Amino acid sequence: EIVMTQSPVTLSVSPGERATLSCRASQSISSKLAWYQQKPGQAPRLLIYGASTRATGVPARFSGSGSGTDFTLTISSLQSEDFAVYYCQQYDNWPGTFGQGTKLEIK
Amino acid sequence: QVQLVESGGGVVQPGRSLRLSCAASGITFSMSGMHWVRQAPGKGLEWVAVISHDGGDKYYADSVKGRFTISRDNSQYTLYLQMNSLRAEDTAVYYCAKDHGGYFLRYYFDSWGQGTLVTVSS
Repeated sequence: EIVMTQSPVTLSVSPGERATLSCRASQSISSKLAWYQQKPGQAPRLLIYGASTRATGVPARFSGSGSGTDFTLTISSLQSEDFAVYYCQQYDNWPGTFGQGTKLEIK
Repeated sequence: QVQLVESGGGVVQPGRSLRLSCAASGITFSMSGMHWVRQAPGKGLEWVAVISHDGGDKYYADSVKGRFTISRDNSQYTLYLQMNSLRAEDTAVYYCAKDHGGYFLRYYFDSWGQGTLVTVSS
């Protein structure tokens, strides 16, 4: 089973600033990586798939990059509604596995 | 607008059974692979099971294999999860989620329900 490791566990950023979240796979997953956003009491929401393709309706301030084992989610200018927990998920190898999440909090 | 609505959660004793349902609307259900994903309280996400668009293929996480059964009724636009021999570690919010692929499963999820809480406790 592929282990996904996200860093940092918690990230404190001020509104309007850039946030960079990392995700590392224990073995190469090509570009088979998705990112999800989850707010308290809500279901996850798909943001990015294929490592860099934004899902329908996702604002352009969200971008994904990387391939192989190292991936990044960047939020270019944080809005108040972006403070949430973010999960990466690999779907190259069955079963798809999630990272433990990064909590993005207001600084 | 895609809507997935889970139901059937509750408090159940260890060893007992529970059946979850997920009613879908706003999608061509018969063309969609569907999943169950769970989240233990305060924890991360764990994929549980998947069923192909026509019900012909079903796969399970090792943690639930032999105890849980995923099924679907395309005429009723409904997904099910039959959970038997429940354990304390099955306590979680259970989400149904739509696979991003159509006939071909892609194993990532573009629509989610709001979840239903299952608590296994004596």
